[in-house]
Amino acid sequence: GEDVEQSLFLSVREGDSSVINCTYTDSSSTYLYWYKQEPGAGLQLLTYIFSNMDMKQDQRLTVLLNKKDKHLSLRIADTQTGDSAIYFCAETSNQGGKLIFGQGTELSVKP
Amino acid sequence: DGGITQSPKYLFRKEGQNVTLSCEQNLNHDAMYWYRQDPGQGLRLIYYSQIVNDFQKGDIAEGYSVSREKKESFPLTVTSAQKNPTAFYLCASSPSDRAYGYTFGSGTRLTVV
Repeated sequence: GEDVEQSLFLSVREGDSSVINCTYTDSSSTYLYWYKQEPGAGLQLLTYIFSNMDMKQDQRLTVLLNKKDKHLSLRIADTQTGDSAIYFCAETSNQGGKLIFGQGTELSVKP
Repeated sequence: DGGITQSPKYLFRKEGQNVTLSCEQNLNHDAMYWYRQDPGQGLRLIYYSQIVNDFQKGDIAEGYSVSREKKESFPLTVTSAQKNPTAFYLCASSPSDRAYGYTFGSGTRLTVV
């Protein structure tokens, strides 16, 4: 079945780059997404990438897509304490518009 | 401003009581979703609706019920049959164009005592 896997925790120092990784199983996914969740809040769409792209950059965020390995990554440059949150990777499923979410990666940024 | 509103933010109920969580959107989105979030378990899909007057079970529908009488509204009822209802509940909506992904509400934290 469809599945999205992420590591659960990542800790970095303020000012360093963070790289959050995700693997997915459905090679027919049209779009892949990154969401951010701050404590006690809903999920906020950070960025998405269309499956025919390899890379997308948006200010401090860089998304890399390796379709052969079904691997998606989110790089946050110059990570700040305000970036501390849970980051979810998601892919479109082959069942209508449903998204399949990973477990989320908790990013901790230490000063 | 367009958005999706969940209410209330915190809800306390006694065991054995049914409770209804509200979700309203003014984004003109066709599809709406309910997720449950428990610590360390990510998001689990409860129910979803792609059109008014129609909805489908997700992965953990047992003990929950929904209705979709209006495009803007998708309330979730947590019934007494739900064995462990204490959790954070998230509602989301999406347009037909998948590129925009989901828009999420701010969530309702339900505590059953």
